[in-house]
Amino acid sequence: EAGVAQSPRYKIIEKRQSVAFWCNPISGHATLYWYQQILGQGPKLLIQFQNNGVVDDSQLPKDRFSAERLKGVDSTLKIQPAKLEDSAVYLCASSWTSASYEQYFGPGTRLTVT
Amino acid sequence: QQQVKQSPQSLIVQKGGISIINCAYENTAFDYFPWYQQFPGKGPALLIAIRPDVSEKKEGRFTISFNKSAKQFSLHIMDSQPGDSATYFCAASGTSYDKVIFGPGTSLSVIP
Repeated sequence: EAGVAQSPRYKIIEKRQSVAFWCNPISGHATLYWYQQILGQGPKLLIQFQNNGVVDDSQLPKDRFSAERLKGVDSTLKIQPAKLEDSAVYLCASSWTSASYEQYFGPGTRLTVT
Repeated sequence: QQQVKQSPQSLIVQKGGISIINCAYENTAFDYFPWYQQFPGKGPALLIAIRPDVSEKKEGRFTISFNKSAKQFSLHIMDSQPGDSATYFCAASGTSYDKVIFGPGTSLSVIP
C-alpha cells in the first residue's frame, strides 16, 4: 500500500512570496489533514477535510492560508503572502474516515521563509 | 484545557535501559491517547494507543500506563535500542470527530 505522498520536500522562499504544497493521500482514505509542525513542537492541525468538504479549519490563518481538496482526493495548501513565522514542516495525513483514530502521515514539506 | 503536557523534552538512555516519557492532560472529554514516533525527515507514525478504560497496554517492548484519576499517562520502552532513537509525541483526542492534540515531543537518544 503506497503511503501519503507530499511535494515538494523542501522549499525556501522570501517573505511576502507565495507557496503551495501538494498532498496525495492513501487511496480510499476519505479524511485528509494538514498539520503545521514548528521545530521543537508537536504537529498542530490546520485543516481537516472529509471527502471534499471542510470539517475543521478553526486553526487555519485564513487571511494568508488556504486549502482545497478538489474531487475528494488530492489536496493543496497555499500560503500567500508568507511570513517568517510560517517556517515549519507542513505535514499531510489521511485516515479511512473521521471516525478512524489512526492517521497516516506523509514525510512533510520543510518550508523556510527568509 | 486542550493542552497535552509532555516531559522530559529530551532523554538519553543507555542501550538495554528503560526509557520513560510522561504526559498529562486536563480535558476529561479525551478518550483516546495515542503515541506517535517520528524519525528525522519522516512524518509521525502511530506506535501504540490506549483508551481510559484500560490501565496498561503492552505491545512488544512498548508499554503505555494510564492513570485516569491523575489524568496522566506514560510510555515505557523496555530494553531500549539505538534504533528507538526518535522523537516521541503523546497525543489525545475526544469523540471520533475531534482533532488530535499533540504534546510537544520528547527527543530520545539511545546510546550504545
